Amino acid sequence: AQRVTQPEKLLSVFKGAPVELKCNYSYSGSPELFWYVQYSRQRLQLLLRHISRESIKGFTADLNKGETSFHLKKPFAQEEDSAMYYCALSGEGSGNTGKLIFGQGTTLQVKP
Amino acid sequence: DVKVTQSSRYLVKRTGEKVFLECVQDMDHENMFWYRQDPGLGLRLIYFSYDVKMKEKGDIPEGYSVSREKKERFSLILESASTNQTSMYLCASSAGLAGWYEQFFGPGTRLTVL
Repeated sequence: AQRVTQPEKLLSVFKGAPVELKCNYSYSGSPELFWYVQYSRQRLQLLLRHISRESIKGFTADLNKGETSFHLKKPFAQEEDSAMYYCALSGEGSGNTGKLIFGQGTTLQVKP
Repeated sequence: DVKVTQSSRYLVKRTGEKVFLECVQDMDHENMFWYRQDPGLGLRLIYFSYDVKMKEKGDIPEGYSVSREKKERFSLILESASTNQTSMYLCASSAGLAGWYEQFFGPGTRLTVL
């Protein structure tokens, strides 16, 4: 079965510290993986997707198929990074409908 | 700029009432989705639609139904609301059928069932 696990409900760091939000997935085929973010009082929006291999707002994420992980990293956290982060998976079993499986979410709190 | 709108930000209903949540997107997207968002559970897919009048069950369809009569509008219906349906409901749309298309979300409707 397809599953996405984010083991941390809350991650609290100080400004300037490195950040790593963990995401592990369970899927036997070739997954498409995403990170979505929801800032306070804003709608959920795409942060980045692994297929694009891009860095957005200083965040990067590498797909590790051996460890079935897609951790989100940033070398120096900023207060404006405080938000809820969701990892999401789309696989071949989605039947090309764009269906996503979301993790439980991790709240990132960046303290001044 | 893609816009997904939901009919209400907050809604309070009584147990047993029939509830309609409306979602409209203005970018001619093929796919539309309804999720519920609960703390500690993340987003769970209720139903989705990949074309007008086409719908498929998601992971938690029990107690819900949907309607898509026009491409831009996707409605979620709670036939007989119950307290365990108190939640934040998010609507989303995406342009294409491939899994890597971005989903665009609405602002959400916070439903309370008393």
